[in-house]
Amino acid sequence: GAVVSQHPSWVICKSGTSVKIECRSLDFQATTMFWYRQFPKQSLMLMATSNEGSKATYEQGVEKDKFLINHASLTLSTLTVTSAHPEDSSFYICSARDWRGSSYNSPLHFGNGTRLTVT
Amino acid sequence: GNSVTQMEGPVTLSEEAFLTINCTYTATGYPSLFWYVQYPGEGLQLLLKATKADDKGSNKGFEATYRKETTSFHLEKGSVQVSDSAVYFCALSDFPGYNQGGKLIFGQGTELSVKP
Repeated sequence: GAVVSQHPSWVICKSGTSVKIECRSLDFQATTMFWYRQFPKQSLMLMATSNEGSKATYEQGVEKDKFLINHASLTLSTLTVTSAHPEDSSFYICSARDWRGSSYNSPLHFGNGTRLTVT
Repeated sequence: GNSVTQMEGPVTLSEEAFLTINCTYTATGYPSLFWYVQYPGEGLQLLLKATKADDKGSNKGFEATYRKETTSFHLEKGSVQVSDSAVYFCALSDFPGYNQGGKLIFGQGTELSVKP
């Protein structure tokens, strides 16, 4: 089945540094990927929709200059947390839809998430 | 706007007990409905789905029926196991524009703990 790989699975960084998280679709092309943020014991909050070859669409309240998204190819999207601070510590999850032979109602495939800790 | 509401957790059950996790939704149009499961420290995995009214999704002993009249998609399992302990998320697929690819709107999640 379709697989989405997210890397790294966990990262610890110092306050003020930047961190890049990669999301790859391994056996399908994803023109659209989604980035979610999850706080402990809470639901997933959609941060942005990443579109291959164009600018990402950010949800209301998400700082686009802080969370830089690049969808460089049909199989890779990256999220860069710039000038990270302790309040950015969270679980970040990406997802992508496999459009092959299916409708818009086909489910999303999720990466295993990245645990970011900013000290 | 579209939204999903789940029963609050945590839910604690003994092994072999019957499970129900309630989920109701608000949506325009005809969304698809999903249940995802998240095991500790992992991302989400699709558990089951239903794409139209009266559809029943099922997988691994879990099932849920798309009830348009009550706008519900309750998750059930007849006999839970310790290995079912996880967080369960109900979600609906928002009606997509071409560039959106179809966003998922999640409920708040329900933590299930099954004791031996």
